[in-house]
Amino acid sequence: GEDVEQSLFLSVREGDSSVINCTYTDSSSTYLYWYKQEPGAGLQLLTYIFSNMDMKQDQRLTVLLNKKDKHLSLRIADTQTGDSAIYFCAANSGNTPLVFGKGTRLSVIA
Amino acid sequence: EAEVAQSPRYKITEKSQAVAFWCDPISGHATLYWYRQILGQGPELLVQFQDESVVDDSQLPKDRFSAERLKGVDSTLKIQPAELGDSAMYLCASSSSSSTGELFFGEGSRLTVL
Repeated sequence: GEDVEQSLFLSVREGDSSVINCTYTDSSSTYLYWYKQEPGAGLQLLTYIFSNMDMKQDQRLTVLLNKKDKHLSLRIADTQTGDSAIYFCAANSGNTPLVFGKGTRLSVIA
Repeated sequence: EAEVAQSPRYKITEKSQAVAFWCDPISGHATLYWYRQILGQGPELLVQFQDESVVDDSQLPKDRFSAERLKGVDSTLKIQPAELGDSAMYLCASSSSSSTGELFFGEGSRLTVL
């Protein structure tokens, strides 16, 4: 089955760019997602990318997909203290349920 | 904006007691999911419903966990008896039949078993 891996921690200074990386194993994954979770809350969808795309940009967020290497990244430009949260990468293929990584805890230093 | 509703937000119970969580998905969403999220981990699927039918409960510990969605709308997840290792956040999510497969999550129910 699908396996999704992420680095666990990332610390950046306010105003810098953050890059969160993710790898997945199932080459048939059709959609890849980035979710954000703030303390004590549920998961909020940030953005997603379809597997036939290489890049998707949405305001401060840029998603890059390297399908050959099964590597996904999320870049947050001009990172703010409000971006401090846990970011989850998730993947699915067809009708299979989403499989989540363990999450990357982003800490933004003022 | 439509939301997935869950209750209770917090539940503290002693081991061997019974607990129940309730979820009301976004109106019109046919697919409902229960995920368990242990502290420091990502969510793991427990059960998936399509309308009132169970699609996937392969990861549900059926000796103590049960889930139902009798009328294909709201859903209940029950644990009986609760064990210390069940302490976690229980997340409900729903999705429509859109091709993107986006899941909408509730705020979760945090369970602490003492």
